[in-house]
Amino acid sequence: GAVVSQHPSWVICKSGTSVKIECRSLDFQATTMFWYRQFPKQSLMLMATSNEGSKATYEQGVEKDKFLINHASLTLSTLTVTSAHPEDSSFYICSAIGQGADYGYTFGSGTRLTVV
Amino acid sequence: LAKTTQPISMDSYEGQEVNITCSHNNIATNDYITWYQQFPSQGPRFIIQGYKTKVTNEVASLFIPADRKSSTLSLPRVSLSDTAVYYCLVYPTGYSTLTFGKGTMLLVSP
Repeated sequence: GAVVSQHPSWVICKSGTSVKIECRSLDFQATTMFWYRQFPKQSLMLMATSNEGSKATYEQGVEKDKFLINHASLTLSTLTVTSAHPEDSSFYICSAIGQGADYGYTFGSGTRLTVV
Repeated sequence: LAKTTQPISMDSYEGQEVNITCSHNNIATNDYITWYQQFPSQGPRFIIQGYKTKVTNEVASLFIPADRKSSTLSLPRVSLSDTAVYYCLVYPTGYSTLTFGKGTMLLVSP
C-alpha cells in the first residue's frame, strides 16, 4: 500500500529559529499534498494544500509567510515554520494523494514540534 | 463536503463488539464514507471505505443503510490496542480537501 514518510517525528527548537519538516511519498507519486496541524485533544485542522510545482493554497487564518510550503517534486513536500514561537508548538501531519495511493489519502506519522 | 456527527466518546471492554455510528444527512450522490483511526501522536490511518450496503475487511465492517444518511463502523472483538480516535469522513473520490470532525474517542478497558 501507499506509504508516506514524515521526518522528523519530533523536534525541539528555540524561539525565533526556523524548523523544516519533510513529507515523502515512498511508493507513489503525490500530485497533491496536504499539511495539517493538531493541538492536544483537538481534531486535525487543514493548514494548506500544495500541488507539485505550484504555490500552496493556504486556509484562512494560516500565515503563508510563516508556514512556508514547498512541493518541488512528486515525492517530496516540505513545511518550514519560520521564526517559531511557543504558540506554534503543535503536532504537524502531512497527507498525500496521487496515482498508486489506495483510497486516495495517506497520512504521515506526524511531527511533534515544541518551541521553547 | 457533507457534515458528519458522531459520538464524542465510547467505552468498551476487551473482546466486545463496538459499533460507532456516524450521521451524514446531507451526503451527496458521489460521496463515499471513509473511516480513519488515529492513535496518540500518530497520523490517521485508513480503516475502511464504502458507498452503500456493507463492506468488510480484515479490520472492520461498515454498514450503510439504503438512504446513506448514516453509517456504522463495527469493530469485532476489540482489544486494548483499539483504543484510539475514530473519524468518519464523507467525500467524493478523487481530489478533495478533507475536513475532520471531532471524532469518537474509543477507550477499551481490560
